[in-house]
Amino acid sequence: ETGVTQTPRHLVMGMTNKKSLKCEQHLGHNAMYWYKQSAKKPLELMFVYSLEERVENNSVPSRFSPECPNSSHLFLHLHTLQPEDSALYLCASSQETGWGAYNEQFFGPGTRLTVL
Amino acid sequence: GEDVEQSLFLSVREGDSSVINCTYTDSSSTYLYWYKQEPGAGLQLLTYIFSNMDMKQDQRLTVLLNKKDKHLSLRIADTQTGDSAIYFCAESAFSGGYNKLIFGAGTRLAVHP
Repeated sequence: ETGVTQTPRHLVMGMTNKKSLKCEQHLGHNAMYWYKQSAKKPLELMFVYSLEERVENNSVPSRFSPECPNSSHLFLHLHTLQPEDSALYLCASSQETGWGAYNEQFFGPGTRLTVL
Repeated sequence: GEDVEQSLFLSVREGDSSVINCTYTDSSSTYLYWYKQEPGAGLQLLTYIFSNMDMKQDQRLTVLLNKKDKHLSLRIADTQTGDSAIYFCAESAFSGGYNKLIFGAGTRLAVHP
């Protein structure tokens, strides 16, 4: 596997379910990101991990819980979601090198989530 | 604050040039990026420009940067049906000790015969 992979690619869940999204990067990067992409707000940054430490939580509801066990893996744990949480969830990674540095982010294909 | 704006739709005829425009607010951005998203896929970097440059050309792509007006554009020459996608402009920002990208809403490019 190369680049950034995400599983599952599609997920349908009820509002009372608990599920997890997984992201894995094979690029040796030290920063990972979760984004939400929906028709209402096209690309929202949710969480940022740098060197396995969460450095940003962009006012995301607590029903979304991220986990970064190591620099290659990122999870998004979901529980008691709402229908408005239906969206494409994108994971990305980059090499964090400090102020003003080139910061290309590499994206996975996303998980299409539908909450019934 | 940080904000990036771009028009939502652009329709062009195959073979014509496409120009997608973007305005940003953070004058300290050192890099500006263009990403492409094809249906059912994540975003992929198309090109970027360093802030001390006015123009960058890469095959069919030309990026123009006007720092004074904080305006960025992407020109695609000889547009093909395979160029149909959503194009995102992004500015770099540094806060809280790390870099992040601020994305625009994306411009949906439709190429018709």
